[in-house]
Amino acid sequence: DAGVTQSPTHLIKTRGQHVTLRCSPISGHKSVSWYQQVLGQGPQFIFQYYEKEERGRGNFPDRFSARQFPNYSSELNVNALLLGDSALYLCASSLQKGNYGYTFGSGTRLTVV
Amino acid sequence: TQLLEQSPQFLSIQEGENLTVYCNSSSVFSSLQWYRQEPGEGPVLLVTVVTGGEVKKLKRLTFQFGDARKDSSLHITAAQPGDTGLYLCAGPQNTGNQFYFGTGTSLTVIP
Repeated sequence: DAGVTQSPTHLIKTRGQHVTLRCSPISGHKSVSWYQQVLGQGPQFIFQYYEKEERGRGNFPDRFSARQFPNYSSELNVNALLLGDSALYLCASSLQKGNYGYTFGSGTRLTVV
Repeated sequence: TQLLEQSPQFLSIQEGENLTVYCNSSSVFSSLQWYRQEPGEGPVLLVTVVTGGEVKKLKRLTFQFGDARKDSSLHITAAQPGDTGLYLCAGPQNTGNQFYFGTGTSLTVIP
């Protein structure tokens, strides 16, 4: 069975640019969440989507947005990139909206130069 | 300010030693989870504790949820080099739809 897949695995962008990260959840999982992890720290919650609707939002600026598609895959968009946006972006899926254990993808390593 | 504080932040021990990692909060959690993360990978779920005072064992790992559901601990017996990694506690708040991770404990087990 395929796990949570994220693309691309690595990405280099320039300040001010826009980036789109993609995530495919485990088959049958309807909830997708996004996290930002800076090196050496725990992941920070960005968004949770369930049944294509936003169910939770972390403390991130409006430059960050996301959406979930009818097939439950998801995109995370970041506009006007800053150097501080450089991080590992993790996607996690779960069966239900309730947070009882996520399966994570391997992440997208974003470097902003 | 982090909602979930872990201690210690870094831990380097010899193979065969025992260790305990702590996860503390001033807030009540309906459940807490422990994950282990290796470099270049996403976190992998180890266990979920739901009931205050609950103890769960996973081979050499023992997890405990505090009676007040504000803290948790992870104890590893006879650590092995394969236990090396970043250990993270995490959980949802009783109210709201946010999921918080702890500050992390980086464990290195030296052969």
